[in-house]
Amino acid sequence: AQSVSQHNHHVILSEAASLELGCNYSYGGTVNLFWYVQYPGQHLQLLLKYFSGDPLVKGIKGFEAEFIKSKFSFNLRKPSVQWSDTAEYFCAVNLNTGFQKLVFGTGTRLLVSP
Amino acid sequence: NAGVMQNPRHLVRRRGQEARLRCSPMKGHSHVYWYRQLPEEGLKFMVYLQKENIIDESGMPKERFSAEFPKEGPSILRIQQVVRGDSAAYFCASSPLEGSNYGYTFGSGTRLTVV
Repeated sequence: AQSVSQHNHHVILSEAASLELGCNYSYGGTVNLFWYVQYPGQHLQLLLKYFSGDPLVKGIKGFEAEFIKSKFSFNLRKPSVQWSDTAEYFCAVNLNTGFQKLVFGTGTRLLVSP
Repeated sequence: NAGVMQNPRHLVRRRGQEARLRCSPMKGHSHVYWYRQLPEEGLKFMVYLQKENIIDESGMPKERFSAEFPKEGPSILRIQQVVRGDSAAYFCASSPLEGSNYGYTFGSGTRLTVV
């Protein structure tokens, strides 16, 4: 079965620090990859997604993620975080054929101190 | 252009009562997905519905849980005889076409507390 691992459950950074959140998945076939963000008290919003093509994907709010197929990874990065980036971040994966439910990681809670 | 609307936002039920969670998809979306988020866990898929059809319910507990998406009206997730372990945030998402490739739009969730 597909699974998604996010190894960092809690991350605390100061403003302007660089961010990298790890995401690994366990499926050898062709997958679609997503990062969602959930700000406190709000719904999940799509940050970025990868289906095919350039493995470096740019999303909203200055976020980017790199798909490394050989490592089964899709890490999220931001060069300089802001206090407003405080949120929970979820990596998600699905197969790209037919209906396959989106499988989420357990999430990473990011706290950015001003 | 209203997004996915879920109500209520917060729901408190005593053990043994029924909980009914509602989800109105985005306009033009005919595919609805329910997810459950338990404390310190990620979102777990529960069920995928199209109008009047359950397409995939592989994540639904075998007992007490049911879902529907009638021809008219919102999708309903129903939990009978709730227990403390049902306390969680329940999120609904919708999409215009099958599958998450086209991007889910999530609602704000219903936080169920069983006392």
